Amino acid sequence: EIVLTQSPGTLSLSPGERATLSCRASQSVSSSYLAWYQQKPGQAPRLLIYGASSRATGIPDRFSGSGSGTDFTLTISRLEPEDFAVYYCQQYGSSPDLYTFGQGTKLEIK
Amino acid sequence: QVQLQESGPGLVKPSQTLSLTCTVSGGSISSGSYYWSWIRQPAGKGLEWIGRIYTSGSTNYNPSLKSRVTISVDTSKNQFSLKLSSVTAADTAVYYCARDFVWYFDYWGQGTLVTVSS
Repeated sequence: EIVLTQSPGTLSLSPGERATLSCRASQSVSSSYLAWYQQKPGQAPRLLIYGASSRATGIPDRFSGSGSGTDFTLTISRLEPEDFAVYYCQQYGSSPDLYTFGQGTKLEIK
Repeated sequence: QVQLQESGPGLVKPSQTLSLTCTVSGGSISSGSYYWSWIRQPAGKGLEWIGRIYTSGSTNYNPSLKSRVTISVDTSKNQFSLKLSSVTAADTAVYYCARDFVWYFDYWGQGTLVTVSS
């Protein structure tokens, strides 16, 4: 089983600043199989990025994803008030068929 | 716009079977190359994938839960369902259903809280 470790656990920033969130995998992950989600309190997760770098429908271009192999990054270029939430990375492993999620990074207002 | 809605008992007794249904609207559950998944989240914790089903009936389960999980589909009702047997307090969580685009989840239900308690 591939383990995803996200860092930092909590990130305190101000609106307008740039946020960089990390997701590290215990084994190499195909870029096609890496996604990012945003979750606000009391809501379901929302797909932001799939295939490591493709934005989902309706996602603002201030969100971008990058990385390959074992190191992936979600960047929010200029934080808006509505961006403060918990972010999860997720990977798909084909043997056995299994999805795993990182433990999450909480992005909070400084 | 595809929408998913979970339904089922919010309280289940220990050792009993948790049963939830997800109703899909805004599109046929049989159209496209999609799987349909269940994911759960204990309060204040992260996400855990439970398993998925294709409309052919083919299933995949999380190995850690496989012995207790059954996922089924009813295409005539545009629904798929989750059964989790022999539940304990550790199974208390918000349960989500989601459309599984093979490698990621693009549509989610709002989630339903299931508490395991006597």
